[in-house]
Parts: sequence; C-alpha cells; structure tokens
Amino acid sequence: GAGVSQSPSNKVTEKGKDVELRCDPISGHTALYWYRQSLGQGLEFLIYFQGNSAPDKSGLPSDRFSAERTGGSVSTLTIQRTQQEDSAVYLCASSLWGGGATDTQYFGPGTRLTVL
Amino acid sequence: GESVGLHLPTLSVQEGDNSIINCAYSNSASDYFIWYKQESGKGPQFIIDIRSNMDKRQGQRVTVLLNKTVKHLSLQIAATQPGDSAVYFCAEGGGNKLTFGTGTQLKVEL
Repeated sequence: GAGVSQSPSNKVTEKGKDVELRCDPISGHTALYWYRQSLGQGLEFLIYFQGNSAPDKSGLPSDRFSAERTGGSVSTLTIQRTQQEDSAVYLCASSLWGGGATDTQYFGPGTRLTVL
Repeated sequence: GESVGLHLPTLSVQEGDNSIINCAYSNSASDYFIWYKQESGKGPQFIIDIRSNMDKRQGQRVTVLLNKTVKHLSLQIAATQPGDSAVYFCAEGGGNKLTFGTGTQLKVEL
C-alpha cells in the first residue's frame, strides 16, 4: 500500500479482555516497530522486527504483551488481560531495511485503545 | 535510562513568524537525531534528520541545528503557517531504536 495502515482505528474493551491490534507495513519494508503513546507523552518503544531475525522485545512492559509478524509483512500486537493503564495509542512504523536509527521510520495512524 | 526532553511543552506563534522548538538530549553516544510532526489523530510524520557529524541541516522551510557541546537540538520553521500547528517530537538514535521526547505543541495564531 501507499503507507502503513493499522486496524482498528479505535478499540474499546473491558478490563480483563484480550485485544489484537494489526499493522500492515509499507510493501517491501523489512523492519517493523511498535510504539505506545500515552496521552500527552512521547512514544515508548515496544518491539522491533527485522527480516527473519529474532525480534527485539526489550520494550514490552509485561508478559501480557506479545507480537508476531507473519511472512515478514503483517504484524499483530496482542495484549492479554487488558488493564486500564494499557489505554493509549499504539503506533506501528516500518522502515526499508532496519539497519539502524538512520533508516527513516514511517508511521501508521495508530490504534486508540481504551480499557474501561 | 537515557532521556530526551523538550524545554517548552507549548509554543504559540503568529502566522508568518519563525518558530524555534528546542530539545535537550542526554545520551552522548547518540549519533542520529530526527524531528517528527504529529497532527491530531495521525501518526508522526518525518520532517528532517541530522547526523552527529553535522551541526546544521536545512530542508524546505525547516532547519535543524545540533549543538553537541551542550547536547541541544532545535527545529526552526520559517514563516510559520496554520498547517504547521501540531506536536513536534525530537528523537535520538544510536542503534536500531529511537528514543522520543515528550513533544512540543506548536500553535499558530492568525
């Protein structure tokens, strides 16, 4: 596609439920990133995928969070047993080769998650 | 841990004036710096970047200045327009990850 797309754009869920957030990166981009943005805050790194390498999960806040990337393209971020503090905008970005921070990351519009 | 911070959370400027958004960073090992613009309801959009071996870089109506001595980064927007109203983030990188600052809200007054 022309850009990074994410779905759903908004998700409201009840505390304790599981949610799945989807990211479609730019075609041909080998690197994919997930970030979390809380209200009025900067972007918090969650996880990074690059090609077939093992993902960098160092930013995941707890074991309730997991992500996978199938076929080197689409990625799904799963949050189990959601808590109210998980409420945030979840942003996905992709870059061409993921060779480092100098590889420009292109962001999707984000998924706004609200946990009641 | 390392942090990237902004001096001012909100900046109001008159249309047509120049805007200067500042950013302080603390990781002296960072070798790459980026400015992103985020409009309401949208994801961050790349504006301009600069490597640590440079102290100035210009784009279309934007200039980024890097002062490594005091670990300071700034974004200058010339002839600010209403469409420039957004939150601006600086980010620093050194490796595969970027560390983002909190952001500055730029408001353009007519």
